[in-house]
Amino acid sequence: NAGVTQTPKFQVLKTGQSMTLQCAQDMNHNSMYWYRQDPGMGLRLIYYSASEGTTDKGEVPNGYNVSRLNKREFSLRLESAAPSQTSVYFCASSLTGGRTGELFFGEGSRLTVL
Amino acid sequence: SQQGEEDPQALSIQEGENATMNCSYKTSINNLQWYRQNSGRGLVHLILIRSNEREKHSGRLRVTLDTSKKSSSLLITASRAADTASYFCATDWTYTGANSKLTFGKGITLSVRP
Repeated sequence: NAGVTQTPKFQVLKTGQSMTLQCAQDMNHNSMYWYRQDPGMGLRLIYYSASEGTTDKGEVPNGYNVSRLNKREFSLRLESAAPSQTSVYFCASSLTGGRTGELFFGEGSRLTVL
Repeated sequence: SQQGEEDPQALSIQEGENATMNCSYKTSINNLQWYRQNSGRGLVHLILIRSNEREKHSGRLRVTLDTSKKSSSLLITASRAADTASYFCATDWTYTGANSKLTFGKGITLSVRP
């Protein structure tokens, strides 16, 4: 049982390049989330998907897009990367999103934008 | 912002001592959760306490919640070197209708000296 799997684990981009972070969960969870973690800022929600077929903005959505491909997969896309998007990105899932219960996190994707 | 504020920001104790960490928040919550993050890893859920609960235990963890003071504390008893990690409180709060969001604090760095 892998839980939440994120790929890639590390990525270096040049300003203006695009990339997609992939996330998959095997727990049959309904809700999935993308957070970014920056030093001194804690975790900030980028986008979330309360259920398959729905997505919604979080606190810091600018510069990102998401796709809930199916119940298992939730991807995060950077269309034109900027140095301010250098961060550690975490995908998470939970059984339900209405009253958020326990979140299960992936191991993170460390992105550097030069 | 509903973001929980943890206190202290950093804590250093000797193995075997108890560690107490505090979290305060601003508006009504559905539940409050504590997570642990080991260096370079994803967050791991520790415990969830609902707004109508006052105290909860899980192994060496004890969590209290005082909704009148909008605060929570996490007590780790008989600490071990393996407890060295960052600890985050997260508050689940209703923003519209049946939808809620989970907002994280900036975290507490706990160091347990052997």
